[in-house]
Amino acid sequence: AQKVTQAQTEISVVEKEDVTLDCVYETRDTTYYLFWYKQPPSGELVFLIRRNSFDEQNEISGRYSWNFQKSTSSFNFTITASQVVDSAVYFCALNMLTFGGGTRLMVKP
Amino acid sequence: KAGVTQTPRYLIKTRGQQVTLSCSPISGHRSVSWYQQTPGQGLQFLFEYFSETQRNKGNFPGRFSGRQFSNSRSEMNVSTLELGDSALYLCASSLRETWETQYFGPGTRLLVL
Repeated sequence: AQKVTQAQTEISVVEKEDVTLDCVYETRDTTYYLFWYKQPPSGELVFLIRRNSFDEQNEISGRYSWNFQKSTSSFNFTITASQVVDSAVYFCALNMLTFGGGTRLMVKP
Repeated sequence: KAGVTQTPRYLIKTRGQQVTLSCSPISGHRSVSWYQQTPGQGLQFLFEYFSETQRNKGNFPGRFSGRQFSNSRSEMNVSTLELGDSALYLCASSLRETWETQYFGPGTRLLVL
C-alpha cells in the first residue's frame, strides 16, 4: 500500500521567516515519483516540483528548496524568506495517485 | 498555450440525480486524470484516461465513471448522487503518463442537496 503523510496540518509564520513543510511517504516500489503542489485560495493546484526515486539530489529554485532522503522516506520542502503570497495549502503526492492531507501555510505580514 | 479548462465551474444538484463534468486538456496532452477533493477525505484519485481507455482507477464506487474522446477531452459522470459527493472535482492533464508533470484545471465545485 502507498501512503503519504504530512504531519503538519497548519503552520503560521511571520513574513521573512523560513519554513519547512514535511512529507513522509511509504511505498514498496523501487521506481516512484514524488510531487509538491500548491493550492492557493482560488483552488487550482499549481505544480512546484517532481522528483523520481533515483534522483536524490536536493534542488533549489529561487526561494524554494527540496530535500529528498530515501533513507528516511522523506521529501521536505523549504521556503526561505517567506512572503504573504506563499499563503496556500501545499500537497505532497506519490505518483499522483496518493496525496498527503496537505499543510495550510499562513504567512502574516 | 491554453491551460486545462473545466465546465461547469459550479453545479448544484439534488440527491438521486446524475451529473456530467467536462474537461479539456492542454493541447497535445493525451493523459487526463480526475480527482475528488473534500474536507474530510482530502485529495483522492478517481481515474485516468489515455487514448480513450481507462488506464488507472482509484477506489471509488461504480457510480463514478468517465470517458475520453478522440480529441483527448474527457467527461466524468456521477450517477445517483449522494450528499457525500459534494466536492471539488479537479481534472489534470499530462503528455502521456500520470507520473509526468500534471497541469490542473480550476475545478468544478459540486454541491449535492
